[in-house]
Amino acid sequence: QLYLQESGPGLVKPLETLSLTCTVSSGSITSRSFHWGWIRQPPGKGLEWIGTIYYSGSTYYNPSLESRVTISRDTSKNQFSLRLNSVSAADTALYYCAFYYGSGSSFNIWGQGTMVTVSS
Amino acid sequence: DVLMTQSPLSLPVTPGQPASISCRSSQSLVYSDGNTYLTWFQQRPGQSPRRLIYEVSHRDSGVPDRFSGSGSGTDFTLRISRVEAEDVGVYYCMQGTHWPLSFGQGTKVEIK
Repeated sequence: QLYLQESGPGLVKPLETLSLTCTVSSGSITSRSFHWGWIRQPPGKGLEWIGTIYYSGSTYYNPSLESRVTISRDTSKNQFSLRLNSVSAADTALYYCAFYYGSGSSFNIWGQGTMVTVSS
Repeated sequence: DVLMTQSPLSLPVTPGQPASISCRSSQSLVYSDGNTYLTWFQQRPGQSPRRLIYEVSHRDSGVPDRFSGSGSGTDFTLRISRVEAEDVGVYYCMQGTHWPLSFGQGTKVEIK
């Protein structure tokens, strides 16, 4: 069973860059048809898809965040990462990394989430 | 972008009674491969989302059979045949047919 674990700073200053890493265990991020995503949830609110990186390295982003987001991967460490530039208080949220197999973007394995607060 | 609209947003239920959540999409969720990528998630308090149903009606392993999904095109439903205390939480639908992916607002299920 795959296991995903998010890591990164819990506090980021406004206008700086939020950087998170998702470490994957018991499976390779480059296995065919394995796809990986970032989803966030502001306190007390619903889920928002940030972006997805395919096993091939192709990326897809939410247009609402696309100008500030980069999702990348480090195959040697079996990790994928999120960078979000020029953050504001509106980016304060619980950030999840997640996995799905094949088509349909149906995330069936989620990390425990990591809380990021944007504040000076 | 595809807008996902859930109703109701709050659902108080008596244990043992059925519950039903509606999810409507602003566009058809039938993909070019013929599949419909509509997923239901459960998020219990303080937990990560858990997938219950994928492709409209396929229940995940370990999900009690009191949960069922149905629908087609733009209109979908999650049903709980007999609500139990452990079903308390927020339920989200999500479409995976069109980019960008999008979630419904969530339906909070609580016990009366």
